Amino acid sequence: GDSVTQMEGPVTLSEEAFLTINCTYTATGYPSLFWYVQYPGEGLQLLLKATKADDKGSNKGFEATYRKETTSFHLEKGSVQVSDSAVYFCALTAGGTSYGKLTFGQGTILTVHP
Amino acid sequence: NAGVTQTPKFRVLKTGQSMTLLCAQDMNHEYMYWYRQDPGMGLRLIHYSVGEGTTAKGEVPDGYNVSRLKKQNFLLGLESAAPSQTSVYFCASIRTSGRGETQYFGPGTRLLVL
Repeated sequence: GDSVTQMEGPVTLSEEAFLTINCTYTATGYPSLFWYVQYPGEGLQLLLKATKADDKGSNKGFEATYRKETTSFHLEKGSVQVSDSAVYFCALTAGGTSYGKLTFGQGTILTVHP
Repeated sequence: NAGVTQTPKFRVLKTGQSMTLLCAQDMNHEYMYWYRQDPGMGLRLIHYSVGEGTTAKGEVPDGYNVSRLKKQNFLLGLESAAPSQTSVYFCASIRTSGRGETQYFGPGTRLLVL
């Protein structure tokens, strides 16, 4: 079945550091890929997405590129802020008749210190 | 436009008690989902619905029932709660299951089963 694997957390960085959170996937067909963010005590918000190979999703300084050859969708940000502290989830919806169902990775906790 | 709302926000149950979680959306979305979030496991799909009057099982449906009598509402029921159902429950909806459609999440219901 479909699956998403994220790097183990938690990740702790100083403000202005470079961030990478690795995400790899296994899926049939041509999945769409997503990064969701969950701030403390809140629900999930879409951060960015990509729907086909070589697409780059970007938002709020975060970027991720859909790499079909390596089945990856790594999240990056050049300079993190304290306000980026949250849980980040990589997810996919499979192609075909998936009915939009999301398959999530386990989540990566990011803490940014001043 | 309230988006996706969930009722209640928090509930404590004793083992064997029953309850219903309500999800409502005012975006005229066709597809709705119930997920549970457990530490270190990301979100897992419980049940979903592709339209009014329809329901289908997700990855972890045991111990739960759902109903979609009205397009805007998706109810999740626990007939006999167990401690293993202690979790945070999220509802989500999308307009269609088209490629790359964004799921909109509610704020979550935290359930504690003693």
